[in-house]
Amino acid sequence: GDSVTQMEGPVTLSEEAFLTINCTYTATGYPSLFWYVQYPGEGLQLLLKATKADDKGSNKGFEATYRKETTSFHLEKGSVQVSDSAVYFCALSRDGGSQGNLIFGKGTKLSVKP
Amino acid sequence: NAGVTQTPKFQVLKTGQSMTLQCAQDMNHEYMSWYRQDPGMGLRLIHYSVGAGITDQGEVPNGYNVSRSTTEDFPLRLLSAAPSQTSVYFCASSYSLHMNTEAFFGQGTRLTVV
Repeated sequence: GDSVTQMEGPVTLSEEAFLTINCTYTATGYPSLFWYVQYPGEGLQLLLKATKADDKGSNKGFEATYRKETTSFHLEKGSVQVSDSAVYFCALSRDGGSQGNLIFGKGTKLSVKP
Repeated sequence: NAGVTQTPKFQVLKTGQSMTLQCAQDMNHEYMSWYRQDPGMGLRLIHYSVGAGITDQGEVPNGYNVSRSTTEDFPLRLLSAAPSQTSVYFCASSYSLHMNTEAFFGQGTRLTVV
């Protein structure tokens, strides 16, 4: 069945460091891919998305490129801030792009130290 | 615009008790769903609804019931709580099943069954 695999955390970085969180997926067809972020005590928020191969999603300095050949959607940011400390979830959609029925990875906790 | 509202935020139940987790959205979204979040497991889909009067099972439906009598509300019922249902529960909604519609999450209900 469809699945998402994320690198395990926690990840601890110093402010202004480069961030990569790996995400690979297994799916039939052509899923849409998403990164969600969960700040402490809050629900999930959409961070970025990509709906087809070679699409690049970007938001708040974060980027991820939909790589069909490697079935990957790695999250990157060039310079992290303390405010980026959160749990990041990679997800894919099973319903032709809708975010209503999502399969999530296990999440990666990021802590950024000043 | 309140978005997705979940109540209560915290709840402690004894084994065998019943309760209903409430979820309401004021965005006229067709699609609503319930997830549970467990440490190291990511989010798993419990039940979902594509519109009033229509519900279906997700990945982990056992022990939970849902109904959708209105567009706005999608309550989740635990008929006889078990310790294995200790988790954080998230309700989500999205406008439709079509591509590129963002999913909005509530802030979660932390449930402990003792």
